[in-house]
Amino acid sequence: AQKVTQAQTEISVVEKEDVTLDCVYETRDTTYYLFWYKQPPSGELVFLIRRNSFDEQNEISGRYSWNFQKSTSSFNFTITASQVVDSAVYFCALNSGMNRDDKIIFGKGTRLHILP
Amino acid sequence: GAVVSQHPSWVICKSGTSVKIECRSLDFQATTMFWYRQFPKQSLMLMATSNEGSKATYEQGVEKDKFLINHASLTLSTLTVTSAHPEDSSFYICSARDSGTEAFFGQGTRLTVV
Repeated sequence: AQKVTQAQTEISVVEKEDVTLDCVYETRDTTYYLFWYKQPPSGELVFLIRRNSFDEQNEISGRYSWNFQKSTSSFNFTITASQVVDSAVYFCALNSGMNRDDKIIFGKGTRLHILP
Repeated sequence: GAVVSQHPSWVICKSGTSVKIECRSLDFQATTMFWYRQFPKQSLMLMATSNEGSKATYEQGVEKDKFLINHASLTLSTLTVTSAHPEDSSFYICSARDSGTEAFFGQGTRLTVV
């Protein structure tokens, strides 16, 4: 069974603080992809990152960084020096397998509030 | 990245009428399209998967007669909510995938049934 768990429903931090959003996944496939998406109040999904199961290198993109740990089935997302514009719902997602019908399964999302 | 255009962005309709939502891949051929539904403050729930030229595969609990999906071309899929009722009010998002494994999302459609 495939599953994505985002245990943090809602997080509030003061601007300029660092914040980490947790994501734990379950899959029996050896080939899979993990994603993070941002959903601002306007509703559209903004793609942030895709990581395949064979690449455990951590990634940094500006103030964003991701930590992929296969040993703990986690793919955590850290925002450094948070800004008010980072306020949004963040979804972690999993796509298992290599077939075109393979679905993307989403976690329940973490609502992030950055307080000025 | 590739662009998926979803139309309309929002729609208000009367109870009992039908509403069609379009999802277009603008710069790639989408062999597979997915339709998701999102209730307020909840996650995206997959409704159905459609492959071009084939009948859609619906997730358990999704009424296929109520949510008609057509994927007649490699660049267009439509979702028709038939005989809409207030409980169908939701945010609907499509996703399109080319021959690879990456999926691209539309902007979403907010449906309000009054």
